[in-house]
Amino acid sequence: GAGVSQSPSNKVTEKGKDVELRCDPISGHTALYWYRQSLGQGLEFLIYFQGNSAPDKSGLPSDRFSAERTGGSVSTLTIQRTQQEDSAVYLCASSLGQDQPQHFGDGTRLSIL
Amino acid sequence: DQQVKQNSPSLSVQEGRISILNCDYTNSMFDYFLWYKKYPAEGPTFLISISSIKDKNEDGRFTVFLNKSAKHLSLHIVPSQPGDSAVYFCAASPSSGGSYIPTFGRGTSLIVHP
Repeated sequence: GAGVSQSPSNKVTEKGKDVELRCDPISGHTALYWYRQSLGQGLEFLIYFQGNSAPDKSGLPSDRFSAERTGGSVSTLTIQRTQQEDSAVYLCASSLGQDQPQHFGDGTRLSIL
Repeated sequence: DQQVKQNSPSLSVQEGRISILNCDYTNSMFDYFLWYKKYPAEGPTFLISISSIKDKNEDGRFTVFLNKSAKHLSLHIVPSQPGDSAVYFCAASPSSGGSYIPTFGRGTSLIVHP
Protein backbone atom coordinates (compact mmCIF):
# COMPACT_ATOMS: atom_id res chain seq x y z
CA GLY A 1 0.00 0.00 0.00
CA ALA A 2 0.99 3.62 -0.34
CA GLY A 3 0.33 4.68 3.24
CA VAL A 4 2.23 4.47 6.51
CA SER A 5 2.16 0.93 7.82
CA GLN A 6 2.47 0.00 11.48
CA SER A 7 2.80 -3.42 13.06
CA PRO A 8 1.52 -5.07 15.08
CA SER A 9 -1.91 -3.42 15.14
CA ASN A 10 -2.48 -4.73 18.65
CA LYS A 11 -0.05 -5.93 21.30
CA VAL A 12 -0.87 -7.30 24.73
CA THR A 13 2.03 -8.09 27.02
CA GLU A 14 2.85 -8.55 30.65
CA LYS A 15 4.36 -5.85 32.79
CA GLY A 16 8.15 -6.00 32.71
CA LYS A 17 8.45 -7.41 29.19
CA ASP A 18 10.12 -5.56 26.31
CA VAL A 19 8.11 -4.64 23.22
CA GLU A 20 9.08 -3.56 19.73
CA LEU A 21 6.79 -1.54 17.49
CA ARG A 22 7.48 -1.12 13.80
CA CYS A 23 6.72 1.67 11.35
CA ASP A 24 7.09 1.61 7.58
CA PRO A 25 6.83 5.20 6.34
CA ILE A 26 5.74 6.32 2.90
CA SER A 27 8.58 5.83 0.43
CA GLY A 28 10.57 9.03 -0.06
CA HIS A 29 9.38 10.68 3.14
CA THR A 30 12.39 12.03 4.98
CA ALA A 31 10.66 12.96 8.21
CA LEU A 32 9.32 10.35 10.64
CA TYR A 33 7.57 10.94 13.95
CA TRP A 34 6.38 8.76 16.81
CA TYR A 35 3.50 9.84 19.03
CA ARG A 36 1.41 8.13 21.64
CA GLN A 37 -2.17 8.73 22.57
CA SER A 38 -3.37 7.67 25.98
CA LEU A 39 -7.09 7.37 26.73
CA GLY A 40 -8.76 10.78 26.58
CA GLN A 41 -5.52 12.58 25.77
CA GLY A 42 -4.10 14.27 22.72
CA LEU A 43 -1.14 13.12 20.71
CA GLU A 44 2.01 13.18 22.82
CA PHE A 45 5.21 13.64 20.80
CA LEU A 46 7.89 11.03 21.45
CA ILE A 47 10.68 11.23 18.85
CA TYR A 48 11.39 12.78 15.44
CA PHE A 49 13.77 11.68 12.68
CA GLN A 50 14.69 14.01 9.81
CA GLY A 51 16.93 12.60 7.10
CA ASN A 52 20.41 11.85 8.37
CA SER A 53 20.25 14.34 11.22
CA ALA A 54 20.43 13.26 14.84
CA PRO A 55 16.91 12.42 16.05
CA ASP A 56 15.04 14.74 18.38
CA LYS A 57 14.40 12.54 21.40
CA SER A 58 13.04 15.30 23.61
CA GLY A 59 9.61 13.66 23.96
CA LEU A 60 10.73 10.25 25.17
CA PRO A 61 9.25 9.87 28.68
CA SER A 62 12.01 7.73 30.17
CA ASP A 63 15.20 5.86 29.29
CA ARG A 64 13.11 2.72 28.86
CA PHE A 65 12.02 4.17 25.52
CA SER A 66 14.27 4.17 22.47
CA ALA A 67 13.84 4.31 18.71
CA GLU A 68 15.93 3.86 15.64
CA ARG A 69 15.46 4.41 11.97
CA THR A 70 17.48 2.18 9.69
CA GLY A 71 18.55 3.34 6.25
CA GLY A 72 16.32 6.37 6.47
CA SER A 73 13.24 4.20 6.12
CA VAL A 74 11.80 1.70 8.61
CA SER A 75 11.66 2.75 12.24
CA THR A 76 11.38 0.69 15.40
CA LEU A 77 10.21 1.98 18.76
CA THR A 78 11.36 -0.16 21.67
CA ILE A 79 9.96 -0.04 25.19
CA GLN A 80 11.94 -1.97 27.78
CA ARG A 81 10.55 -3.27 31.07
CA THR A 82 7.05 -2.15 30.20
CA GLN A 83 4.83 -0.57 32.85
CA GLN A 84 1.05 -0.31 32.96
CA GLU A 85 1.21 3.43 32.26
CA ASP A 86 2.80 2.60 28.89
CA SER A 87 -0.59 1.35 27.71
CA ALA A 88 -1.64 3.60 24.84
CA VAL A 89 -1.99 3.80 21.08
CA TYR A 90 1.40 4.42 19.51
CA LEU A 91 1.17 6.35 16.25
CA CYS A 92 3.80 6.78 13.59
CA ALA A 93 3.70 9.52 10.96
CA SER A 94 5.88 10.49 8.04
CA SER A 95 6.09 13.56 5.84
CA LEU A 96 7.95 14.71 2.74
CA GLY A 97 9.76 17.33 4.76
CA GLN A 98 9.69 19.07 8.05
CA ASP A 99 7.20 21.70 6.89
CA GLN A 100 4.75 19.30 5.25
CA PRO A 101 1.56 17.71 6.64
CA GLN A 102 2.06 14.35 8.29
CA HIS A 103 0.63 11.07 7.09
CA PHE A 104 -0.25 8.77 9.97
CA GLY A 105 -0.40 5.03 10.28
CA ASP A 106 -3.32 3.39 12.06
CA GLY A 107 -1.27 2.89 15.20
CA THR A 108 -0.36 0.04 17.51
CA ARG A 109 -2.66 -0.41 20.48
CA LEU A 110 -0.41 -1.51 23.34
CA SER A 111 -1.93 -3.02 26.46
CA ILE A 112 0.23 -3.85 29.47
CA LEU A 113 -1.32 -6.33 31.88
CA ASP B 1 1.04 23.20 30.30
CA GLN B 2 -0.96 22.79 27.11
CA GLN B 3 0.31 25.00 24.32
CA VAL B 4 -2.58 24.02 22.05
CA LYS B 5 -6.03 23.87 23.60
CA GLN B 6 -9.28 22.55 22.25
CA ASN B 7 -11.63 23.47 25.05
CA SER B 8 -14.69 21.67 23.72
CA PRO B 9 -14.28 17.91 24.06
CA SER B 10 -17.41 17.34 21.99
CA LEU B 11 -19.80 19.05 19.61
CA SER B 12 -23.14 17.90 18.26
CA VAL B 13 -24.57 19.38 15.06
CA GLN B 14 -27.53 18.70 12.79
CA GLU B 15 -26.82 17.55 9.24
CA GLY B 16 -26.74 20.48 6.84
CA ARG B 17 -25.79 23.01 9.52
CA ILE B 18 -22.41 24.58 10.16
CA SER B 19 -19.90 22.95 12.50
CA ILE B 20 -17.40 25.28 14.16
CA LEU B 21 -14.44 23.75 15.97
CA ASN B 22 -12.20 26.04 17.97
CA CYS B 23 -8.55 25.96 18.94
CA ASP B 24 -6.40 28.30 21.03
CA TYR B 25 -2.63 28.40 21.30
CA THR B 26 -0.21 30.11 23.64
CA ASN B 27 3.17 29.87 21.91
CA SER B 28 3.80 33.01 19.81
CA MET B 29 6.43 31.08 17.82
CA PHE B 30 3.70 28.97 16.22
CA ASP B 31 3.08 30.10 12.67
CA TYR B 32 1.84 27.00 10.88
CA PHE B 33 -1.45 25.36 11.84
CA LEU B 34 -3.12 22.16 10.75
CA TRP B 35 -6.36 20.29 11.32
CA TYR B 36 -6.58 16.52 11.29
CA LYS B 37 -9.60 14.25 11.35
CA LYS B 38 -9.55 10.89 13.10
CA TYR B 39 -11.97 8.00 12.84
CA PRO B 40 -11.96 5.24 15.51
CA ALA B 41 -9.17 2.69 15.11
CA GLU B 42 -7.54 4.74 12.34
CA GLY B 43 -4.70 7.22 12.34
CA PRO B 44 -5.38 10.95 11.96
CA THR B 45 -5.84 12.22 8.41
CA PHE B 46 -4.66 15.65 7.32
CA LEU B 47 -7.56 17.95 6.50
CA ILE B 48 -6.42 21.53 5.97
CA SER B 49 -3.65 23.89 7.00
CA ILE B 50 -2.94 27.59 7.25
CA SER B 51 0.21 29.63 7.67
CA SER B 52 0.35 32.82 9.67
CA ILE B 53 0.66 34.98 6.56
CA LYS B 54 -3.00 34.23 5.86
CA ASP B 55 -6.13 34.61 7.92
CA LYS B 56 -8.30 32.22 5.94
CA ASN B 57 -7.88 29.08 3.89
CA GLU B 58 -10.71 27.28 2.19
CA ASP B 59 -10.97 23.80 0.73
CA GLY B 60 -14.43 22.73 -0.35
CA ARG B 61 -16.68 22.48 2.68
CA PHE B 62 -13.79 23.17 5.06
CA THR B 63 -12.50 26.62 5.97
CA VAL B 64 -9.90 27.47 8.57
CA PHE B 65 -9.76 30.95 10.07
CA LEU B 66 -6.74 32.29 11.92
CA ASN B 67 -6.80 35.23 14.34
CA LYS B 68 -3.16 35.82 15.22
CA SER B 69 -3.76 38.59 17.71
CA ALA B 70 -6.12 36.37 19.69
CA LYS B 71 -4.00 33.26 19.10
CA HIS B 72 -7.13 31.51 17.97
CA LEU B 73 -8.11 29.43 15.01
CA SER B 74 -11.30 27.74 13.99
CA LEU B 75 -12.41 25.12 11.52
CA HIS B 76 -15.75 25.62 9.82
CA ILE B 77 -17.51 22.74 8.09
CA VAL B 78 -20.50 23.68 5.99
CA PRO B 79 -22.74 21.96 5.27
CA SER B 80 -22.01 19.29 7.88
CA GLN B 81 -22.56 15.68 6.85
CA PRO B 82 -22.92 12.51 8.98
CA GLY B 83 -19.62 11.26 7.52
CA ASP B 84 -17.90 14.22 9.15
CA SER B 85 -18.50 12.61 12.54
CA ALA B 86 -14.98 12.08 13.90
CA VAL B 87 -12.45 13.51 16.34
CA TYR B 88 -10.79 16.67 15.04
CA PHE B 89 -7.31 17.60 16.20
CA CYS B 90 -5.77 21.02 15.91
CA ALA B 91 -1.97 21.16 15.60
CA ALA B 92 0.51 24.03 15.59
CA SER B 93 4.21 24.41 14.96
CA PRO B 94 6.93 26.91 14.21
CA SER B 95 7.89 26.72 10.53
CA SER B 96 11.47 27.81 11.15
CA GLY B 97 14.09 27.35 13.80
CA GLY B 98 15.36 23.92 12.87
CA SER B 99 13.03 21.39 14.41
CA TYR B 100 9.48 21.20 13.14
CA ILE B 101 7.43 19.20 15.60
CA PRO B 102 3.70 19.91 15.68
CA THR B 103 2.01 20.23 19.05
CA PHE B 104 -1.46 18.71 19.10
CA GLY B 105 -4.57 19.60 21.05
CA ARG B 106 -6.62 16.93 22.80
CA GLY B 107 -9.24 16.85 20.07
CA THR B 108 -12.93 17.65 19.70
CA SER B 109 -15.37 14.85 18.98
CA LEU B 110 -17.88 16.01 16.36
CA ILE B 111 -21.17 14.20 15.96
CA VAL B 112 -23.33 15.13 13.00
CA HIS B 113 -26.90 13.92 13.37
CA PRO B 114 -28.89 12.95 10.25
